[in-house]
Amino acid sequence: GAGVSQSPSNKVTEKGKDVELRCDPISGHTALYWYRQSLGQGLEFLIYFQGNSAPDKSGLPSDRFSAERTGGSVSTLTIQRTQQEDSAVYLCASSHPGYEQYFGPGTRLTVT
Amino acid sequence: DQQVKQNSPSLSVQEGRISILNCDYTNSMFDYFLWYKKYPAEGPTFLISISSIKDKNEDGRFTVFLNKSAKHLSLHIVPSQPGDSAVYFCAVVETSGSRLTFGEGTQLTVNP
Repeated sequence: GAGVSQSPSNKVTEKGKDVELRCDPISGHTALYWYRQSLGQGLEFLIYFQGNSAPDKSGLPSDRFSAERTGGSVSTLTIQRTQQEDSAVYLCASSHPGYEQYFGPGTRLTVT
Repeated sequence: DQQVKQNSPSLSVQEGRISILNCDYTNSMFDYFLWYKKYPAEGPTFLISISSIKDKNEDGRFTVFLNKSAKHLSLHIVPSQPGDSAVYFCAVVETSGSRLTFGEGTQLTVNP
């Protein structure tokens, strides 16, 4: 079946602009996660959605970052007033309740 | 502070030999451990996992060992193949949560 998809695959934006990154999880997966990988770093947790529960936003680095998950499926990660340090690969993952998370290909964000 | 550490940023082995990737963690509340493999421009792919109640889990050429007293996790790949060349991340899950905490990754290169 279809895996996790993300769009766009690459995004170049100017400092100060807002960006939206999209994630389509695997159908039926109730849990959805956002991570990011900065150059030379490991994967950093950002936010986690599980069903209708309030999301775990504890990994968001600043209030410029927000995420929504509509209808328990598609999720959008929004970064407002982008900064150069926001440049990274943003990865989305989904899972059934349990621990094996399946990742999308990521969105490479470059802030110039 | 880094709760999950992969101290070797890179490892090079000959085809057919054993690859051993190591991971250390600090938090005894971690109860589930995973290894992911990542090729360039792709998202991480789940490889193998182990629960804290076990000390070994084997799947084909891949075996994960867990030493809870030493807070140490390792992945053995034998025999190594050129197609195994990728970045390997260890990841851990806390008992009470669901987010993955990743190590920094180890670049494995298997030479023909």
